[in-house]
Amino acid sequence: SQQGEEDPQALSIQEGENATMNCSYKTSINNLQWYRQNSGRGLVHLILIRSNEREKHSGRLRVTLDTSKKSSSLLITASRAADTASYFCATDESGNTGKLIFGQGTTLQVKP
Amino acid sequence: GAGVSQSPSNKVTEKGKDVELRCDPISGHTALYWYRQRLGQGLEFLIYFQGNSAPDKSGLPSDRFSAERTGESVSTLTIQRTQQEDSAVYLCASSRDQVQETQYFGPGTRLLVL
Repeated sequence: SQQGEEDPQALSIQEGENATMNCSYKTSINNLQWYRQNSGRGLVHLILIRSNEREKHSGRLRVTLDTSKKSSSLLITASRAADTASYFCATDESGNTGKLIFGQGTTLQVKP
Repeated sequence: GAGVSQSPSNKVTEKGKDVELRCDPISGHTALYWYRQRLGQGLEFLIYFQGNSAPDKSGLPSDRFSAERTGESVSTLTIQRTQQEDSAVYLCASSRDQVQETQYFGPGTRLLVL
């Protein structure tokens, strides 16, 4: 079953603007991770937020987690053209083996 | 240090042929995962290794798919009698341990079955 669902599916913004992507999931989790993928190849790990954390920052990235709503958001501030990519959330379900369940992704285009 | 590597980068094969995809995880990582990504889709979990054993094979789509891992290092994903629907990017990831650890992904193998 599909765990993470990203919203929106596609997002187009101007350089310098902020981009917000949302992710919803269905079951209890150990953690939630956000990944970036360029050109349909390898994924780059961006940030991991554990189930007992509510917010985490890394550079221009800010991730929030609301376990009561089973949702997370990824905010990219002051976006750059190089941020153009697909962004995926992935959940590591409680009691699971650590396998990740991925959403369908949000395609972000940042126009120069 | 070196990241996860996969080979080949691209593979084109004819329907019915067998293919082997290789993954070299980060040295010292005990957990290794295989995922499949169809065009425009998210990743689907295939199989997970802890050391050389595979406690979770739940994602393998059919008995044509198998995987092994040796020396707690290299893993091989084998697809027998390939079908056109097997065309996808096959991604491997490794992590230090299996629970609550960041997974580091390789560049993937793009498989095209004609």
